[in-house]
Amino acid sequence: AQTVTQSQPEMSVQEAETVTLSCTYDTSESDYYLFWYKQPPSRQMILVIRQEAYKQQNATENRFSVNFQKAAKSFSLKISDSQLGDAAMYFCAYRRSGGSNYKLTFGKGTLLTVNP
Amino acid sequence: DTGVSQDPRHKITKRGQNVTFRCDPISEHNRLYWYRQTLGQGPEFLTYFQNEAQLEKSRLLSDRFSAERPKGSFSTLEIQRTEQGDSAMYLCASSLPRTLNREKLFFGSGTQLSVL
Repeated sequence: AQTVTQSQPEMSVQEAETVTLSCTYDTSESDYYLFWYKQPPSRQMILVIRQEAYKQQNATENRFSVNFQKAAKSFSLKISDSQLGDAAMYFCAYRRSGGSNYKLTFGKGTLLTVNP
Repeated sequence: DTGVSQDPRHKITKRGQNVTFRCDPISEHNRLYWYRQTLGQGPEFLTYFQNEAQLEKSRLLSDRFSAERPKGSFSTLEIQRTEQGDSAMYLCASSLPRTLNREKLFFGSGTQLSVL
């Protein structure tokens, strides 16, 4: 079974600074997808960024980028120029490729605090 | 399009009572998912529908849980004879067919269940 581990229960960053959230995963599959979701106090999970395992290039979305290390099974999220609105719970998630079920396996999350 | 809607937002019940939650996915989304999120954990997959067909159920979904999507639109999740361990947030998500929008799940804001 696939597992996702987020070893940082909490992180904090100063506004405008950069922070990196860690995620490791375990799978025997060679093709899969990895995601970072944000869950603000409103509770609605919002997709931040997605990475296909077959792509070597790291995904980027504006101030958000990932460092995907397939051999090490590591998938960290870097947030640049942190903003107060980035404060939220961040979840790393895995999905196997193929099939019709977009079932996600989530980590336990990292609570990010942004200090003004 | 108002996104995925869940009702109620909060539910407090006494142990042994039955509860039912409703999820209205984004229109034209044929796939619908239920997840459960307990305190300090990431969401865990419960069940998945493609149109009205329930295609996968997690082992987490005991016999006391039942989910339906009778017309392939809204879905209900019922918990019978609730137990204190059922206290959690129940999240619903929906997505388009795979060929139209790969991988993207849209989540609702969840129903927070408290069993006293």
